Amino acid sequence: DAGVIQSPRHEVTEMGQEVTLRCKPISGHNSLFWYRQTMMRGLELLIYFNNNVPIDDSGMPEDRFSAKMPNASFSTLKIQPSEPRDSAVYFCASSLLNEQFFGPGTRLTVL
Amino acid sequence: LAKTTQPISMDSYEGQEVNITCSHNNIATNDYITWYQQFPSQGPRFIIQGYKTKVTNEVASLFIPADRKSSTLSLPRVSLSDTAVYYCLVGDLGTDKLIFGTGTRLQVFP
Repeated sequence: DAGVIQSPRHEVTEMGQEVTLRCKPISGHNSLFWYRQTMMRGLELLIYFNNNVPIDDSGMPEDRFSAKMPNASFSTLKIQPSEPRDSAVYFCASSLLNEQFFGPGTRLTVL
Repeated sequence: LAKTTQPISMDSYEGQEVNITCSHNNIATNDYITWYQQFPSQGPRFIIQGYKTKVTNEVASLFIPADRKSSTLSLPRVSLSDTAVYYCLVGDLGTDKLIFGTGTRLQVFP
C-alpha cells in the first residue's frame, strides 16, 4: 500500500482565494483525521470521520473551513476564503485499529 | 481526554539510552498511552502503545507504573537518526481521537 496520499504537497495562494486539500486514506481504514500544524499552536486535530461520517469537528477553527468525505477512499478539506493565518502544514491521517498513519502533509502558504 | 506533560527538549549522544517521561495525572480507566515520533517535514509515526506494566517492540520500550499517572519511553542506544519530536498521548482507544501536546524535542549528537 502506498500509505496515506495527500495532494498537493505545496500550495501557495493569495488571501481570499479558495483552497482545497485532498486526501486518500489507506484502503480498509475506517477512520480519517485532518490535522493542522504550526510552530505556535503545534499539532491540532481539526475534524475526524468514522465510516465516512463526521464524528467530531470541534477543532475546525471557523466557518471558512469545511471537510467532506464522499466515500471511503477520498476526503477534502476546503478553506474559503483563505487568510494568511491559515498558513500551516495540514496532515491527513487514517486508522483502523487505534494506530494512526499520517500522510506527508500539505504545506499551505497564504500570501 | 487526559492532559499530558513532558519535557520540552532533551539532548543525548549516540549510543546512549534515552528515557522520556510523560506525566498524565488524570488518566482514566479506559485510557491507553501512545507515543508518536515526528521527523522534520513528515507526519507523526506511531512508535508504541500500552496500558500498564511494560511493553517492548523492535524500536522502543514503554514503562508504565502501577498507578499509571506517568509513563516512560525508553530508546536504547540512540543514533543520529533518532533526532525527532516525541509525543505522548493518552486516550480511550474506542474514541479514536488523539490530542497531541507540545512533545519532546530529542537532539542526538555524535
